Amino acid sequence: DVKVTQSSRYLVKRTGEKVFLECVQDMDHENMFWYRQDPGLGLRLIYFSYDVKMKEKGDIPEGYSVSREKKERFSLILESASTNQTSMYLCASITGAGTGYEQYFGPGTRLTVT
Amino acid sequence: DQQVKQNSPSLSVQEGRISILNCDYTNSMFDYFLWYKKYPAEGPTFLISISSIKDKNEDGRFTVFLNKSAKHLSLHIVPSQPGDSAVYFCAASPFPNSGNTPLVFGKGTRLSVIA
Repeated sequence: DVKVTQSSRYLVKRTGEKVFLECVQDMDHENMFWYRQDPGLGLRLIYFSYDVKMKEKGDIPEGYSVSREKKERFSLILESASTNQTSMYLCASITGAGTGYEQYFGPGTRLTVT
Repeated sequence: DQQVKQNSPSLSVQEGRISILNCDYTNSMFDYFLWYKKYPAEGPTFLISISSIKDKNEDGRFTVFLNKSAKHLSLHIVPSQPGDSAVYFCAASPFPNSGNTPLVFGKGTRLSVIA
């Protein structure tokens, strides 16, 4: 069974703080993704990575950066958190082999920036 | 510009009846379509998918229909149960898919099944 874990379920940070969200998958998947989910806006792609040290911008990369130093780990970084980054953050992974299209999601991190 | 549209933000259905969730897409290159289900405070989970070479795929109470000419797909849940209450996301994948291309998601439809 594929497992995607995220470091925190709930996080409260102050405006201006640097925030790290960690995601780990145990299925040796090449591709990993970071989304945020907001009411009425659905799932919006922030960044994705198809290999170690590789990254691609998604639809809303502003205010975020990512790091992929190891295949199983994909980190999302908020350099200076702002209140409009209060959201549910979801990590996902998928094999790059093309044998399946289903992304597997982690449980999510509910981030509140005050 | 939204490539995958779920025009109904919410839907209420009586327990035991059929739930029909709709999804439209604009990109004719999409080759594979998926439905995900999401409960509050949890990540989305894969529900059912369909390839563009088919027009129907069934899995228990869940059936997805694809109308390529209309660029429309729908998810039918029969019979609906209170545990089906969740947000449902439609997603699409372009052809050819190498796994490196992110899924394109709709905004979701919140289904409420009333006992």
